[in-house]
Amino acid sequence: SQQGEEDPQALSIQEGENATMNCSYKTSINNLQWYRQNSGRGLVHLILIRSNEREKHSGRLRVTLDTSKKSSSLLITASRAADTASYFCATGGPDAGNKLTFGGGTRVLVKP
Amino acid sequence: DAGITQSPRHKVTETGTPVTLRCHQTENHRYMYWYRQDPGHGLRLIHYSYGVKDTDKGEVSDGYSVSRSKTEDFLLTLESATSSQTSVYFCAISSGRASDTQYFGPGTRLTVL
Repeated sequence: SQQGEEDPQALSIQEGENATMNCSYKTSINNLQWYRQNSGRGLVHLILIRSNEREKHSGRLRVTLDTSKKSSSLLITASRAADTASYFCATGGPDAGNKLTFGGGTRVLVKP
Repeated sequence: DAGITQSPRHKVTETGTPVTLRCHQTENHRYMYWYRQDPGHGLRLIHYSYGVKDTDKGEVSDGYSVSRSKTEDFLLTLESATSSQTSVYFCAISSGRASDTQYFGPGTRLTVL
């Protein structure tokens, strides 16, 4: 079973627009991470937000975390064609030991 | 890909044959993981290792075994491959616990006919 569930499953936007995707999870977490996967490649870590943080920025990425709602959002500002990829959230929690649990991902298409 | 290689990158095999996938790292990270990725299921953990000869099961371990005889290598074996094991397999490494970032290899696409 997946701990994190992304929404929407797919997203299509024009270059320059912002892309927002959400992740919901079910149990307590220590942190939540976002990864990007380009077609045919491995996952690349984007950003990690700890359970005691509410917002974090990295370049054009902004991540929020609401532990009361068990949800997180990833915002990509001023999107580029190179942002076309699948984005996954992953959670690590006190009951997860040394493991991360990944969601099903959001496929983002940025049209030039 | 953070010093992680997987071999082979592509493999086609027949049902019932044994298959071994190799993950090799040059980062000296303690933790290594094997995932499979299938449409509609995201990434699912098969097995992981927290040190040489220390391994544990993940979410979908049935039909798979692993071995880690040295820090840099983590092997995934399908003793008798089935069509349901057709998938893309990813290896990942982490220096700390799951709370830390995981670094992924390029993947192995396995087709079982």
